[in-house]
Amino acid sequence: KQEVTQIPAALSVPEGENLVLNCSFTDSAIYNLQWFRQDPGKGLTSLLLIQSSQREQTSGRLNASLDKSSGRSTLYIAASQPGDSATYLCAVLTAAGNKLTFGGGTRVLVKP
Amino acid sequence: GAGVSQTPSNKVTEKGKYVELRCDPISGHTALYWYRQSLGQGPEFLIYFQGTGAADDSGLPNDRFFAVRPEGSVSTLKIQRTERGDSAVYLCASSATGGSLPSPLHFGNGTRLTVT
Repeated sequence: KQEVTQIPAALSVPEGENLVLNCSFTDSAIYNLQWFRQDPGKGLTSLLLIQSSQREQTSGRLNASLDKSSGRSTLYIAASQPGDSATYLCAVLTAAGNKLTFGGGTRVLVKP
Repeated sequence: GAGVSQTPSNKVTEKGKYVELRCDPISGHTALYWYRQSLGQGPEFLIYFQGTGAADDSGLPNDRFFAVRPEGSVSTLKIQRTERGDSAVYLCASSATGGSLPSPLHFGNGTRLTVT
C-alpha cells in the first residue's frame, strides 16, 4: 500500500527566505507526482506535475525535483512572499490504480 | 465558470439523515474523482469514474456511501444514515483523461459536511 509522508508538518519563515518542502513515498512504482497548494476553506490548486520519467519541473519561483528510486520529491519556493502562505500537498499516482495518494501536507507561514 | 463546481459549499445535517453532494466537472473531462479530507489531513480517495461507470470504488468506507454519474458529467455523492464521523470536506476533481495517463487533476472547492 502506497504511503506518502510530508516533513515538516508546519513551517514558518521570514519573507524572502527560500522554502524547502519534502515529500517521501514508499512505493516507487509511480506514474507521476503532483504538488498542490490549498488555501484555508478552498480546494486544491495544482502547482507542478512531474512524470515518472522526469527529474524536475519548474514554474516561476517553484521548482520540484523527483528521485523515484529513493521515493522522494522536494518542492523549492524561491524568495518566499506572504502570499505563499498556504498548505502544500504532494500526491502520487501509483501504477496499481487510478487514484492519487496524498501526504498530510506542510502548512507554510511566510511572515512579512 | 471553467472550473469544477461543487454544491452546496456547506451542509449541516443531523445524525441519521440522508445527504447528497453534487459535483459539476470541467466540461469534456471524462474522469471524475471524489475525495474526503478530514481536518489537518490530506485528502483520501473515495471513488473514481471514467465516463458513466465507477472504475474504482475501493475507497468508499462502507455501504452507506454511494455515488453516481448517470450521464458522464455531473456526479452525486450520496450518504445514508449519516454519522458524526462523516463530518469532513468532500472534494471532487476531474481530469481530461483518467487512469495512468498523465493528466493533472482539477479540484473543486469542496463541500464541508457537518453532522451534528
